[in-house]
Formats: sequence, C-alpha cells, structure tokens
Amino acid sequence: AAGVIQSPRHLIKEKRETATLKCYPIPRHDTVYWYQQGPGQDPQFLISFYEKMQSDKGSIPDRFSAQQFSDYHSELNMSSLELGDSALYFCASTIRALNTEAFFGQGTRLTVV
Amino acid sequence: AQKVTQAQTEISVVEKEDVTLDCVYETRDTTYYLFWYKQPPSGELVFLIRRNSFDEQNEISGRYSWNFQKSTSSFNFTITASQVVDSAVYFCALSEVLDSSYKLIFGSGTRLLVRP
Repeated sequence: AAGVIQSPRHLIKEKRETATLKCYPIPRHDTVYWYQQGPGQDPQFLISFYEKMQSDKGSIPDRFSAQQFSDYHSELNMSSLELGDSALYFCASTIRALNTEAFFGQGTRLTVV
Repeated sequence: AQKVTQAQTEISVVEKEDVTLDCVYETRDTTYYLFWYKQPPSGELVFLIRRNSFDEQNEISGRYSWNFQKSTSSFNFTITASQVVDSAVYFCALSEVLDSSYKLIFGSGTRLLVRP
C-alpha cells in the first residue's frame, strides 16, 4: 500500500540558506500535518492543511512557510536557516471526514551546518 | 493546560521480561484521543494505538496491551515477554479536537532497551 512520501530523506544546508521539504500524502488523503523533532526531543506540531487551506498552526517560526497544492502534496519552506533548525521533520496525512488514523512519513532529516 | 507526562526517561529490561510504560495526561476537554507511537532507531514514527476518551475498555494486541483509566488520567502501555526488537523510544500523545485529531501533543518519550 502507498505510504506518505517525504523528500528528500536527508538534507544538509548551511546557516542562512533556504530549504524546501516535500510531502506526498497517501492518495485521497486531504489533510496534511507537519511536525519538527529536535535531537532527543518529542515531535512538535508545526502546521496543518485541509483541502489546500491552512487549518491549524503550532509553533512554526516566521521564517518557515508551508502550503498544500492542488494535488494535495505539501511543501515546507524554511529560510534563513539556523543551527537550531537541525531536526527530523515529519509529515502525516489523513482523510479528515473519516477521522481515520494519520499515517506518518519516514521524515526528512535536516542538518544545518 | 494540555500536557502529556512520561515520567520514565529510560527503561532497561532483559528479554522476555514484561514492561509497563507509564503515561499521564492533562486536558480540559471531555473529548480527546490518546495515542502511542513507537520510534525505532531508524527514526520513523510507527502508530500503535488510538483510543478515544469515551472508550475506557482495555485493549490487547498480541504482546501489547493498554490500560486507559480516566479516573487517574493515565494511559499505560504494557509489553509482555519483551523482545530485542521492542527496543525503541515510545511516545504517548494526546489530541483534543476530534475534527483535527492529529494536532498531537507528545510526551517526552520513554527509551526502552531490551537486552538479550
């Protein structure tokens, strides 16, 4: 069965650079969630989208932005990267109306040097 | 305040021992979900269980069992006859809004080490 696809799996960037993380939800899933997990930390909710509209917002820095496209994939754009942005970034998707479990992707590990 | 507390930072057991991971939560809502996720060394988050606040029935799935007690705001997870492959970080999580049920609040995790 198709799962949530995140790309790239690993990314190394320098301070002050920009990064774009992509998330391809399971087909027919209309809701996407982004989480950030710092080293040794628990995952923290960043932002979510439902039907291409932002549905909720968590502790997402102003330097980050995200959107969901017409094909339901989502991108997390991160600018002016800082060392503290080094983390594992997870995307999860679900079908909101069915209130099913959300499936997490394998994550993108971002390292800022 | 909404909060999930996993007081056990790290647990080490010998294979075949039973182990219980504790989870205590705080929420003002009467309607919420509780979750357990497993994060093996490879890093992915593996869904184990979701329980809604109206269902206090305990659940068993193979070697895994969960004990949900609203009276003590706890949702504990027991692994019976642990195996080395159970070694991972286990997260308990809470979501408060049913129609946005994956805005999760995670606990700090419990690292389980199962020694051969």
